[in-house]
Amino acid sequence: QQQVKQSPQSLIVQKGGISIINCAYENTAFDYFPWYQQFPGKGPALLIAIRPDVSEKKEGRFTISFNKSAKQFSLHIMDSQPGDSATYFCAARSGNQFYFGTGTSLTVIP
Amino acid sequence: DAGVIQSPRHEVTEMGQEVTLRCKPISGHDYLFWYRQTMMRGLELLIYFNNNVPIDDSGMPEDRFSAKMPNASFSTLKIQPSEPRDSAVYFCASTTAPSSSLHFGNGTRLTVT
Repeated sequence: QQQVKQSPQSLIVQKGGISIINCAYENTAFDYFPWYQQFPGKGPALLIAIRPDVSEKKEGRFTISFNKSAKQFSLHIMDSQPGDSATYFCAARSGNQFYFGTGTSLTVIP
Repeated sequence: DAGVIQSPRHEVTEMGQEVTLRCKPISGHDYLFWYRQTMMRGLELLIYFNNNVPIDDSGMPEDRFSAKMPNASFSTLKIQPSEPRDSAVYFCASTTAPSSSLHFGNGTRLTVT
């Protein structure tokens, strides 16, 4: 059973547009929600993360929006660039374990 | 900081052969995780260690899989005998206390023919 559900599976955005990736969870024990970015041939790398006591976190062009009551969180990439083309994973932590979404393949068209 | 180092980067083997994947975590990280990544199932946790001790191996598919961490700077994941369905990218990741995020290696792409 997938602990963290992620959508869409793939996303194509024009350069300069906004990319939005959504995740949902059920386990209220989750206490930390990171997003990872993965380029081909590389391991996932931490992009940005949020804790459930905050509704939004912004780092440069990347923003996490968190809705605790709805058990949903999303990644927004503003002014998307071709260099942002990668696979993005949301994750949630409970104790020492991280549970990952199935990933979103983002393609930014020049 | 050299990051998490995995070897080999690619492994091609025939069904029935033994495969050993290796991982060197970041110095000072006392948690080590092994994940498997496939298109169908995404990132799956296989096993994780804390201070070299296996804590949860419930994700290990079956007895053909085993993992060891003989010291703080080295871990292995062994598959014996290997099967075509084991073909995947295997990642090792490390972290400090649970408040931190994972640091992944670049993975080992395993192909079993």
